[in-house]
Amino acid sequence: RKEVEQDPGPFNVPEGATVAFNCTYSNSASQSFFWYRQDCRKEPKLLMSVYSSGNEDGRFTAQLNRASQYISLLIRDSKLSDSATYLCAVNSLTSGTYKYIFGTGTRLKVLA
Amino acid sequence: DTEVTQTPKHLVMGMTNKKSLKCEQHMGHRAMYWYKQKAKKPPELMFVYSYEKLSINESVPSRFSPECPNSSLLNLHLHALQPEDSALYLCASSQGQRDRFNQPQHFGDGTRLSIL
Repeated sequence: RKEVEQDPGPFNVPEGATVAFNCTYSNSASQSFFWYRQDCRKEPKLLMSVYSSGNEDGRFTAQLNRASQYISLLIRDSKLSDSATYLCAVNSLTSGTYKYIFGTGTRLKVLA
Repeated sequence: DTEVTQTPKHLVMGMTNKKSLKCEQHMGHRAMYWYKQKAKKPPELMFVYSYEKLSINESVPSRFSPECPNSSLLNLHLHALQPEDSALYLCASSQGQRDRFNQPQHFGDGTRLSIL
């Protein structure tokens, strides 16, 4: 089993739809969690940090479920510009150093 | 605009060449990272520097040699690369590995490397 897993998609949704992605992780000692957005041939850009209490930024909501070891990202009122790959990053302590383990990424296509 | 600057944006080199990739950040971050990313795959960690000291080398071949001259700069020296090393090389930085370990990493826009 991979340390961090995501459904690769693609998720094809119409404009205005609500879409949700999950990311599961296997290391129960993981410390912090993030969602990144990556456009084709570009660098990952930080979308949101994921807090235990959940957090919202406009149309985006991120949640953490430590008991079931997953994080989620909800996008409301999808826009064409939301089309991208969404990567989850799990920050864990390994041999005294914190490092990210990325999921494979979930591709989202928002259709007109 | 990204606050982590990488140069060059593109690099084409032969297998016998020696070149260097450069990364710079002025956010006062004390942890810096090199990643390699192939098409349709997530970034793969190569090296981690914390307070200018190498703290993780993910069993990267010696033809890749990192260097951290000061807290703002990170280099990746390349020598005798193979065609399979062609990829996007990403630099990232974060506030630190000690009391600020929960802060996110910020990525540069990468160097697209092609090995002929």
